[in-house]
Amino acid sequence: DAMVIQNPRYQVTQFGKPVTLSCSQTLNHNVMYWYQQKSSQAPKLLFHYYDKDFNNEADTPDNFQSRRPNTSFCFLDIRSPGLGDAAMYLCATSRDRGTGRAFFGQGTRLTVV
Amino acid sequence: GIQVEQSPPDLILQEGANSTLRCNFSDSVNNLQWFHQNPWGQLINLFYIPSGTKQNGRLSATTVATERYSLLYISSSQTTDSGVYFCAVEGNTPLVFGKGTRLSVIA
Repeated sequence: DAMVIQNPRYQVTQFGKPVTLSCSQTLNHNVMYWYQQKSSQAPKLLFHYYDKDFNNEADTPDNFQSRRPNTSFCFLDIRSPGLGDAAMYLCATSRDRGTGRAFFGQGTRLTVV
Repeated sequence: GIQVEQSPPDLILQEGANSTLRCNFSDSVNNLQWFHQNPWGQLINLFYIPSGTKQNGRLSATTVATERYSLLYISSSQTTDSGVYFCAVEGNTPLVFGKGTRLSVIA
């Protein structure tokens, strides 16, 4: 029944070792988002795709990259994780920009050691 | 960019009490949503409510777009209502979240 699925739920990575988080959706939505949420803070948008059109937030570090090979899948790559990148990473989808409900996955909690 | 302010930041309720959470936003929006973040971190969409009033069980929400605020009402609160409630808006930028209201319902 899950419509937005994130894998893994928990990820431990070493300082500086590249890591990839994945998100898949069964809703056939056009828009996919990646948010970063640190402890006791609001989710912060990193980037979003409208179909294949990639939109990077101005303050998203270059260390963060994303790929969307098809409608259903989206990946978040952290090229050289630092201790400050430890956070919950949330993937969301919506049918279109500016309208409609957003659906979130369960999140991936990233720990950097 | 658009600013979203939520109040109160923290709220403690006795089980069975009612509460009102507020969300103010700084610019016109075409999308406003309320979310509940459960203890495991998942954001559950409660309402998509760019304007008007909606009800879902013990929860209801009202958005007055012309005055740039939205209210979330929780009636007869239960311990399972505990968690963080976020308001998120979309105008010229994708969904922007407020800092949330942390609700604790005690038995």
